[in-house]
Amino acid sequence: DAMVIQNPRYQVTQFGKPVTLSCSQTLNHNVMYWYQQKSSQAPKLLFHYYDKDFNNEADTPDNFQSRRPNTSFCFLDIRSPGLGDAAMYLCATSKDGQGIYEQYFGPGTRLTVT
Amino acid sequence: QKEVEQDPGPLSVPEGAIVSLNCTYSNSAFQYFMWYRQYSRKGPELLMYTYSSGNKEDGRFTAQVDKSSKYISLFIRDSQPSDSATYLCAMSVQGSSNTGKLIFGQGTTLQVKP
Repeated sequence: DAMVIQNPRYQVTQFGKPVTLSCSQTLNHNVMYWYQQKSSQAPKLLFHYYDKDFNNEADTPDNFQSRRPNTSFCFLDIRSPGLGDAAMYLCATSKDGQGIYEQYFGPGTRLTVT
Repeated sequence: QKEVEQDPGPLSVPEGAIVSLNCTYSNSAFQYFMWYRQYSRKGPELLMYTYSSGNKEDGRFTAQVDKSSKYISLFIRDSQPSDSATYLCAMSVQGSSNTGKLIFGQGTTLQVKP
């Protein structure tokens, strides 16, 4: 089945130690999104790629970076994680032409910062 | 004031009950209205979407949008234990591309008891 895959599902990192979360998709969608979801809060868009074009949200901290080496893969890099960065990180995809409402989400990576 | 407000619940109902989930919003430019369902430890999945005002029905689910009141609802008829999940409303302004930003509510946790 076509899907959005996130690895790892659970990640523990130390305060200030860089961490990378990965997302891959078999849907061949050209748009990929990264969301941060804290406990009992709404998912918050960090940035998205439209093909290779990177679109950063104005309030996304510089501590968060992203890479998209090809259509299928996208990475979220947190350069110096703080305790406030502990959250669920969700990757989503959509296909241009189907509208932004039809986003397909992965299962998420739960990040713990110690 | 948040752009999208959603009562977090939790909401507990007996099996077979009619469930009403609601969101209010402040941005009158929103045109697309979505409901996502999120099971525990999973990513959100699109349940229904509506463009502009009106009703939309899909099986046991009915989505309503009242743009004059800036209020949207999701009704679940004959609720089942498998409907137990967090329901997130989401909204968007359609921009010049199909990669507009989704604004999510914080989600309502629903528990349907057998």
